[in-house]
Amino acid sequence: KQEVTQIPAALSVPEGENLVLNCSFTDSAIYNLQWFRQDPGKGLTSLLLIQSSQREQTSGRLNASLDKSSGRSTLYIAASQPGDSATYLCAVQSNYGQNFVFGPGTRLSVLP
Amino acid sequence: GAVVSQHPSWVICKSGTSVKIECRSLDFQATTMFWYRQFPKQSLMLMATSNEGSKATYEQGVEKDKFLINHASLTLSTLTVTSAHPEDSSFYICSPLNPAPGVFGSGTQLSVL
Repeated sequence: KQEVTQIPAALSVPEGENLVLNCSFTDSAIYNLQWFRQDPGKGLTSLLLIQSSQREQTSGRLNASLDKSSGRSTLYIAASQPGDSATYLCAVQSNYGQNFVFGPGTRLSVLP
Repeated sequence: GAVVSQHPSWVICKSGTSVKIECRSLDFQATTMFWYRQFPKQSLMLMATSNEGSKATYEQGVEKDKFLINHASLTLSTLTVTSAHPEDSSFYICSPLNPAPGVFGSGTQLSVL
């Protein structure tokens, strides 16, 4: 059974810092890995999707990497801004049922 | 790109009433729809998988008689929470298997009083 963990559970940083969020998964048989942000009381905003054959994806200040063999992904946020404050979710799409399995999230606060 | 329209966005209801949540695929046909829920301060968990024209499959611990799923057409999947109770208050969100990975509806926040 696929399990996804995220470290840290919460993070508070001053504005402008670069930061790294970590995601680990137990079964490397995945189709895709996706990073989302979720604002309080809101739905999911897709940030980056990495296919199993890819090693990283970039969008603006965000860079996500994938090491399938070790079951790890990182989300790098450059020059953080208060608007980046949200919960960041990592999700892996299983080869089996093809549903997404979500991690518990990292709650990020960027202080002005 | 693939778009899923989910309604309503939020609903408040009295205990004992039923609530229907709809997910429509606007520009594609969805043969399979995943339904997830998220309890307060927890992450999203798969609760059921619906397939067009057949019975839905439910994850362990999810009551199939309470959460009725209908996937009668390739463009509409519905989740009905029957006789809702406060413990059913949660965020519900749908996601089609195809045509693109990682497409999700906007979610429905259900609050049962």
